[in-house]
Amino acid sequence: NAGVTQTPKFQVLKTGQSMTLQCAQDMNHEYMSWYRQDPGMGLRLIHYSVGAGITDQGEVPNGYNVSRSTTEDFPLRLLSAAPSQTSVYFCASTITPRGEQYFGPGTRLTVT
Amino acid sequence: GNSVTQMEGPVTLSEEAFLTINCTYTATGYPSLFWYVQYPGEGLQLLLKATKADDKGSNKGFEATYRKETTSFHLEKGSVQVSDSAVYFCALSDQDYGQNFVFGPGTRLSVLP
Repeated sequence: NAGVTQTPKFQVLKTGQSMTLQCAQDMNHEYMSWYRQDPGMGLRLIHYSVGAGITDQGEVPNGYNVSRSTTEDFPLRLLSAAPSQTSVYFCASTITPRGEQYFGPGTRLTVT
Repeated sequence: GNSVTQMEGPVTLSEEAFLTINCTYTATGYPSLFWYVQYPGEGLQLLLKATKADDKGSNKGFEATYRKETTSFHLEKGSVQVSDSAVYFCALSDQDYGQNFVFGPGTRLSVLP
C-alpha cells in the first residue's frame, strides 16, 4: 500500500492564480480531511468528507473547495490564491470516525 | 467544543534525559486520545493511542496513560535520543468525524548529543 499520497510536494503561485492539490489513498478509507499547518497554530481543518459525494466545512474553509467523487481521491482547490494561503497542506484519512488518522507527506505552498 | 492544550516548548534536552510533555483535553464525550510525531519535512505519524480511561499507549519507548479524572494524556520517555528530535502533537477524536478530531498546537523537542 502507498498509503496517503499528495502532489505536488512544493508549489509557488502568484496571487489570483488557482490550482488543485491532489490527495489519494489506497486503503479504502471512507473518512478524509484536509488540514493546513502554520507556525504556532498547529493543524487547522479546512474541509472533510465522510464518504464519496459527501463533504463538509472545517474550521477554515474560505478560499478552498473540495469534492469527493471516489473513495480514493479528495482534491483541494484554491480558487484565487492569496498570500494568506501560504502554508503546508496535509491530507489525512481514517477507516473509522474516531480512529487514528493517516497523513500524507504534505504540500508546501507559497503564494507571492 | 473540544480542545487540546499542551506545553508549547520548545523543549531542549540532553541525550538520555527523561522527557515529559504535558497534554490536557476538554471533550463533551469519551474521546480517543493520540500522540502524533512530525519529523522535519515530513507528515504526521501516529506515535501511540489510547481509547478508554486508564489505557496506556506505548511505542518506541514512549508512553502515555489516559487519565479521565485529570483529563490528561501526558507523553513520557525515560531516555531520549537525538533521533527523537521532532514536533509532538496531542490529539483527540470524539463522536463524529471532522470537527471533532482536534489537535494541540504541537511541542518542538530538540535533543542534544
